[in-house]
Amino acid sequence: EAQVTQNPRYLITVTGKKLTVTCSQNMNHEYMSWYRQDPGLGLRQIYYSMNVEVTDKGDVPEGYKVSRKEKRNFPLILESPSPNQTSLYFCASSWTSGRALYNEQFFGPGTRLTVL
Amino acid sequence: TQLLEQSPQFLSIQEGENLTVYCNSSSVFSSLQWYRQEPGEGPVLLVTVVTGGEVKKLKRLTFQFGDARKDSSLHITAAQPGDTGLYLCAGDRAGGTSYGKLTFGQGTILTVHP
Repeated sequence: EAQVTQNPRYLITVTGKKLTVTCSQNMNHEYMSWYRQDPGLGLRQIYYSMNVEVTDKGDVPEGYKVSRKEKRNFPLILESPSPNQTSLYFCASSWTSGRALYNEQFFGPGTRLTVL
Repeated sequence: TQLLEQSPQFLSIQEGENLTVYCNSSSVFSSLQWYRQEPGEGPVLLVTVVTGGEVKKLKRLTFQFGDARKDSSLHITAAQPGDTGLYLCAGDRAGGTSYGKLTFGQGTILTVHP
């Protein structure tokens, strides 16, 4: 089954304790992206990756790191989480077409993170 | 401020009514997508529009991309309770260093009462 998986689905942690949220897709997509969703703000892009070893900042990258060592995986790293990073996080993947993202983004089920 | 302003943010209507959701920006987009999201799940793509002035129909849903590729609308005819959900527009900013950046509107929470 074609899918994007995220782990964990739920996480409660404390300020400053490093954590990683994993994301994996089995569709051989070049493009992968991380978003956070907060009430009234929609989804905001954190980081994205056009292909292996190619990553770039989205609109809200502060406090986050990513890596893309393999095509299928795109982990999101919070080196020192703070309460303002409490949010619902989504990973997504897509094919790309030329210079525009015409293709459907497939989203994972989300990770609800609470930082105390 | 949001790059993509979506309105209204909340919409509560009766079954059978029509509705329109708007997505506006001062920026030009290469393409614009509409997603629907249900509680506890990720967004699911409804449609992508890529040409200024384009109109796409998906059963009772009609999507329009503005001539200048700065705005879009979603019109639902004869809404049903199954249409209830969060509707999101998302734009792929045109050209230059913005390639790959996708911007979402704030979302419209639609509730259709039986």
